[in-house]
Amino acid sequence: TQLLEQSPQFLSIQEGENLTVYCNSSSVFSSLQWYRQEPGEGPVLLVTVVTGGEVKKLKRLTFQFGDARKDSSLHITAAQPGDTGLYLCAGVYGNKLVFGAGTILRVKS
Amino acid sequence: EAGVTQSPTHLIKTRGQQATLRCSPISGHTSVYWYQQALGLGLQFLLWYDEGEERNRGNFPPRFSGRQFPNYSSELNVNALELEDSALYLCASSGVFYGYTFGSGTRLTVV
Repeated sequence: TQLLEQSPQFLSIQEGENLTVYCNSSSVFSSLQWYRQEPGEGPVLLVTVVTGGEVKKLKRLTFQFGDARKDSSLHITAAQPGDTGLYLCAGVYGNKLVFGAGTILRVKS
Repeated sequence: EAGVTQSPTHLIKTRGQQATLRCSPISGHTSVYWYQQALGLGLQFLLWYDEGEERNRGNFPPRFSGRQFPNYSSELNVNALELEDSALYLCASSGVFYGYTFGSGTRLTVV
């Protein structure tokens, strides 16, 4: 059983469309992180959200941390082929970082 | 500054053999985290080393072990390899609260 559940598992969309990826848990996290991973590479940190209700924007990416600090979402506006990759959420649990199973995003041109 | 480096990039071993994977953290970082990324299972926490000591261990059998050297580089050893050990092994440094910096990983294939 995953501590962090991500949905959807796989998303295939056309260039220019918007999308949202969700990360949910029954546990409270002191912070949540989002990573993007491309084939053959390690995950790269996109953002860390710490405060319940916090919203952070990174160009076309918007990250939100739930008020209760149990969930988070990643919204991408006007997706581009370069956004293709595996998106992972991760939460600080005890003294380690636990990861969701990830969402595979494919943006077709 | 140099990032996290891992070697080798790829490793092919036969079932029952031992594999040794290496990681050098970002200069000045004392913690190293090891994760296993098997197909479809996300990243599973393996081991955390800090200041030369094992600080935490994930739910893996004892044949997964490692150590951290005085220069903070780390080694992951997997004994008695099984087919299901085939995965991408990732090493990371940086603080857990501020985000990890990952290496590119070692792709271990057990045949």
